[in-house]
Amino acid sequence: EADIYQTPRYLVIGTGKKITLECSQTMGHDKMYWYQQDPGMELHLIHYSYGVNSTEKGDLSSESTVSRIRTEHFPLTLESARPSHTSQYLCASGPRTGADTQYFGPGTRLTVL
Amino acid sequence: TQLLEQSPQFLSIQEGENLTVYCNSSSVFSSLQWYRQEPGEGPVLLVTVVTGGEVKKLKRLTFQFGDARKDSSLHITAAQTGDTGLYLCAGGIAKFYFGSGTKLNVKP
Repeated sequence: EADIYQTPRYLVIGTGKKITLECSQTMGHDKMYWYQQDPGMELHLIHYSYGVNSTEKGDLSSESTVSRIRTEHFPLTLESARPSHTSQYLCASGPRTGADTQYFGPGTRLTVL
Repeated sequence: TQLLEQSPQFLSIQEGENLTVYCNSSSVFSSLQWYRQEPGEGPVLLVTVVTGGEVKKLKRLTFQFGDARKDSSLHITAAQTGDTGLYLCAGGIAKFYFGSGTKLNVKP
């Protein structure tokens, strides 16, 4: 079982605020991902990284940005939160080689008022 | 259009019943994964299947990978209320894809 952590677990903020969602993993995985998911719905990939200093946008257009300065850390930032950003944000990581398996963190439930 | 189609979309059964959920694609995958997700939590990996025709068992759960590696099934024997959740299949072809999931509700 991979160790992957997300903080905060829950966040309620006002419109216009800047926020950073933290994601860290201790497995030394090269690949990391951010997904957005509404309750009980499918996952949408918003960002991914295959290594340090490598970041790409996913399938779902997002106003968020990410950085990958260290292997274990993959934070996601929203410069100006809006109610449309209200959702569950899930971070995942996986090894570079072998079966394309992802291990998920517990998620951050974001509510923008 | 989803690359991975899951069926049924919803399933509500009584405790003790058996069930099968399906994950289908027109594309060939090198591997497929199954996850279970509970409300408010991240998906938890159940199994990875790699070889066409492979069958893997995890207690009361049986996973099968199709011979052509385009589909997979998950069979649960004697379902329990703790099996309730969203079951997702996923696989990679150049990039990673998730199915839309099967929402399973097991009633006591």
